[in-house]
Amino acid sequence: GDSVTQMEGPVTLSEEAFLTINCTYTATGYPSLFWYVQYPGEGLQLLLKATKADDKGSNKGFEATYRKETTSFHLEKGSVQVSDSAVYFCALRGFNKFYFGSGTKLNVKP
Amino acid sequence: GAVVSQHPSRVICKSGTSVKIECRSLDFQATTMFWYRQFPKQSLMLMATSNEGSKATYEQGVEKDKFLINHASLTLSTLTVTSAHPEDSSFYICSARDTGESGNTIYFGEGSWLTVV
Repeated sequence: GDSVTQMEGPVTLSEEAFLTINCTYTATGYPSLFWYVQYPGEGLQLLLKATKADDKGSNKGFEATYRKETTSFHLEKGSVQVSDSAVYFCALRGFNKFYFGSGTKLNVKP
Repeated sequence: GAVVSQHPSRVICKSGTSVKIECRSLDFQATTMFWYRQFPKQSLMLMATSNEGSKATYEQGVEKDKFLINHASLTLSTLTVTSAHPEDSSFYICSARDTGESGNTIYFGEGSWLTVV
């Protein structure tokens, strides 16, 4: 069945460091891929998405490219800020269902 | 602003009581809504799909009689945790599907933190 695997955390970085959070997926068909962010004590917020192969989603300095050949959707940011500290979830959408990765907690230190 | 709203955002209830969580679509009609549960330090797991005017479809392993879902209108779905126990303490989040102009987009609510004491 459909599933998402993402790197375990927590990831601790200094401010302005480069961020990569790996995400790979297994799916039948051609799902849409998403990154959601959950700030402490809050709900899920859509960070970015890509709907087909080679699409690049971007938002707030974060980017992820839908790689069909490697079934990956890695999240990257060139320079993280303390305010980026949160839990990041990779997800795929199969028809109406979302399948989430386990989440990666990011801690950014000043 | 939020297009899917959940209420309450936080609730504490006594063991053995029931608690209801509401999920509303604010700007669109949603024939389908979804309920997820997040265990501490784990990912979100789909509990059930809520269909307006019909019975919810539950995922394997989810107790139908414990987690009652009602989707009585096109903008409201409710999740009632019956006879709550401390192990039901969790983060519950809903999502709603908008098949209108946005083109089959799914929006998530802010989530509800349930603590059973």
